[in-house]
Amino acid sequence: EAGVTQSPTHLIKTRGQQATLRCSPISGHTSVYWYQQALGLGLQFLLWYDEGEERNRGNFPPRFSGRQFPNYSSELNVNALELEDSALYLCASTRELLNTEAFFGQGTRLTVV
Amino acid sequence: DQQVKQNSPSLSVQEGRISILNCDYTNSMFDYFLWYKKYPAEGPTFLISISSIKDKNEDGRFTVFLNKSAKHLSLHIVPSQPGDSAVYFCAASSMGGSQGNLIFGKGTKLSVKP
Repeated sequence: EAGVTQSPTHLIKTRGQQATLRCSPISGHTSVYWYQQALGLGLQFLLWYDEGEERNRGNFPPRFSGRQFPNYSSELNVNALELEDSALYLCASTRELLNTEAFFGQGTRLTVV
Repeated sequence: DQQVKQNSPSLSVQEGRISILNCDYTNSMFDYFLWYKKYPAEGPTFLISISSIKDKNEDGRFTVFLNKSAKHLSLHIVPSQPGDSAVYFCAASSMGGSQGNLIFGKGTKLSVKP
């Protein structure tokens, strides 16, 4: 069974540009979570999607947005990139609304120059 | 406002000895706690969890202890092995709440020396 997959693995963007990160959850998982891990910080919760709807949002500005598709895959969009957006972005999935034992992808390393 | 705190950024232990990683939380609504292990360039992997109705959960070399009155949990690794060297994240959730997501600590980097 395939795990959570994220693409791309690495992404380099210029300040002011937009970045799109993608996540495919484990088959049968309907909830997708996005986390940001900046240097020296823990995993900061960004967004939670379930059944195509945004269920909760962390303390991030509106230029961080996303969506979940009918096949439960998800996209994270970051607009007007700033240097401090450089981080590892992790996607996790869980079955239904159970948020225990979330399974993580390997992450997308976003570098803003 | 950090709801889950791991106050030790790093820990160094000799192979074969016990590793004890600590975690404190402030939100009394948390009722499920998890530990994740993360190697560089990989996503976190689930290690062990504990429900608030228990005070101990054991899985092989890993044991998690929960002290609800102190809002404190700890992960014991016995015996420690060099392959255990990684960053360990404590996480908490509120099953009955609407938040629906895991709140993570900043992590503790464990180094197990041969």
